[in-house]
Parts: sequence; structure tokens; C-alpha cells
Amino acid sequence: DIVMTQTPLSLSVTPGQPASISCKSSQSLLHSDGKTYLYWYLQKPGQSPQLLIYEVSNRFSGVPDRFSGSGSGTDFTLKISRVEAEDVGVYYCMQSIQLPITFGPGTKVDIK
Amino acid sequence: QVQLVQSGAEVKKPGASVKVSCKASGYTFTGYYMHWVRQAPGQGLEWMGWINPNSGGTNYAQKFQGRVTMTRDTSISTAYMELSRLRSDDTAVYYCAREMATIPVGYWGQGTLVTVSS
Repeated sequence: DIVMTQTPLSLSVTPGQPASISCKSSQSLLHSDGKTYLYWYLQKPGQSPQLLIYEVSNRFSGVPDRFSGSGSGTDFTLKISRVEAEDVGVYYCMQSIQLPITFGPGTKVDIK
Repeated sequence: QVQLVQSGAEVKKPGASVKVSCKASGYTFTGYYMHWVRQAPGQGLEWMGWINPNSGGTNYAQKFQGRVTMTRDTSISTAYMELSRLRSDDTAVYYCAREMATIPVGYWGQGTLVTVSS
């Protein structure tokens, strides 16, 4: 199975300040079709996870442009340019290049 | 719009089985794979498997092989996940989640809490 790791596991951010979460995979997520199957989700308190970013850097419909994703191969980053109160929750990275689909352990983001 | 509405919370005894339903609306049910993901209390997300609602074909995570069965009823646009021989560590919120294009887990249901306790 592909192991996904995230750092940090928790993050406390002042509103308006940037935040960054790292995600690393134990194997490359680059497929022979040229796509990289890395996704980011946010699970707000008491809610189901919601898709933020697909295939490394594509924002899902309705996701604010303060969220951005980058990376390649085995190293990926989610950045929030200016954290807002509504961004609190747990962020997960996920890979789907190989079954079983696996998730990172999650990064809990709260507001200072 | 796409909606996935799951069945209500369940309390089961160890050794029993549970069957969670996921009723889909707002799209052609047979057109998209349905995945199941679970989340133990205070823990992360764990993928369980998928079902192709068109063919009924399934793919289960090895961890759940032999204990999980995913089925569907196309006449009522509903997917099911049945987990047998329940243990206390199966206590979790179980989510159905529909694929979209190349995104395997896109739209999520609201989750169903299954509590296993004697």
C-alpha cells in the first residue's frame, strides 16, 4: 500500500496569515497517462470531507483561490495564502494511483 | 444537484452485521462508481472499496475482504455497504462517496455512525 504522510499534524494560524501543509507519498503518484493522482480534502468540524484540490493543483468548483496545490512525484504542498476563520478543520491528502486508495493522517488547522 | 443521503445511525453487538444504505439523486446512478470510506472516532479516513453501480462489480480493500459486501439496487438508485462479524474497532462513521471524472471520491454522503458495543 502507498503510505501518505503529512506535516505538520497540527497548525495554529493567525487570520490573514499564510499556512502550508506538506504531504509525501511512499511511491510516485505520477501515472503513465501523465496525470498525478493526488487530492486534498478539508473536513470541517462535524461535517463530511469536501474536495478542495484534485490532481495536485486543480481547485475544485467553488473553492476560493486562496487555496493552491503544488508538487510532483512524491512531494506535495497545500497552501492557504490568507487563512480565514472558515478554513478551520482537518486537511487530508489522498492518493488514487494505486488501490487501495490511501489518505494521509490529517493536519488539524485552527485559528489563533 | 448531486445528493447522497445515507441511512441513520446504528448500534450493533459484536459479531453482528450492519447494512448501511446510500440513496443517490440528481444524476444517473449507474454512471459513476460509488466508494465507501470510514472514519473511526477522532481518527482519519480509511477507504473500504468501491462498487460499479452499472455492473455490480466491486473492489474491496484487502483489510475488509471476506467481511464487507457492497451491493446496489438500481431501481431505487441506492448503494449498500454491509459489514459482518462486527468488532468494537468497527465503530466509525461510514461514508459513501461518488466519483466524478478522474476524481474517485468527489461527492460525499452525510455519513452514518455505526456503534459496536456489547
